[in-house]
Amino acid sequence: EDQVTQSPEALRLQEGESSSLNCSYTVSGLRGLFWYRQDPGKGPEFLFTLYSAGEEKEKERLKATLTKKESFLHITAPKPEDSATYLCAVQASGALIFGKGTTLSVSS
Amino acid sequence: DTAVSQTPKYLVTQMGNDKSIKCEQNLGHDTMYWYKQDSKKFLKIMFSYNNKELIINETVPNRFSPKSPDKAHLNLHINSLELGDSAVYFCASSHADRTTKSYEQYFGPGTRLTVT
Repeated sequence: EDQVTQSPEALRLQEGESSSLNCSYTVSGLRGLFWYRQDPGKGPEFLFTLYSAGEEKEKERLKATLTKKESFLHITAPKPEDSATYLCAVQASGALIFGKGTTLSVSS
Repeated sequence: DTAVSQTPKYLVTQMGNDKSIKCEQNLGHDTMYWYKQDSKKFLKIMFSYNNKELIINETVPNRFSPKSPDKAHLNLHINSLELGDSAVYFCASSHADRTTKSYEQYFGPGTRLTVT
């Protein structure tokens, strides 16, 4: 059965304190791994797509990486506006499967 | 210009009523989806339509019926609403998946349904 597990569930950082979010997955025939950001009361906002092990994508303070078993979302020198829930999702043969998310809080 | 829009944003209704949620996308995508996000914020697929044809129908009660009048619209009709239907419902759209590659989905702002 396809599964996605995100850790930690919640993460509190000080402004400027870099860290990483983890997404472990078990799927047969990965056709894409996606990272989304969700702010309270809003829909998920697309961040990155990764297709194969070794691939990396960057956007501002965020960098996503992919191995055969997991993906990391690295946050460098975060700011309070980076506070949100970050969702990982994978697609294999069927529908997109989401993890339960990591809620990031960045304080100044 | 809103890419994926949903109406209404909030919906409060009583048990047993029938209600509809509308979704429209102006991204030129072929595929549209409905997701349910429960109180624990877990997001789960309900339905997927490709070019007006139903391609994914997860284990969802028959009281939920999607309708796609054209590629840009996907509506969700819910009969005989129950307390457990209370959740946030998201519409999304994407390009049609290829055999070995899937495309990112773009989500609407959500409809918060409260059944009393």
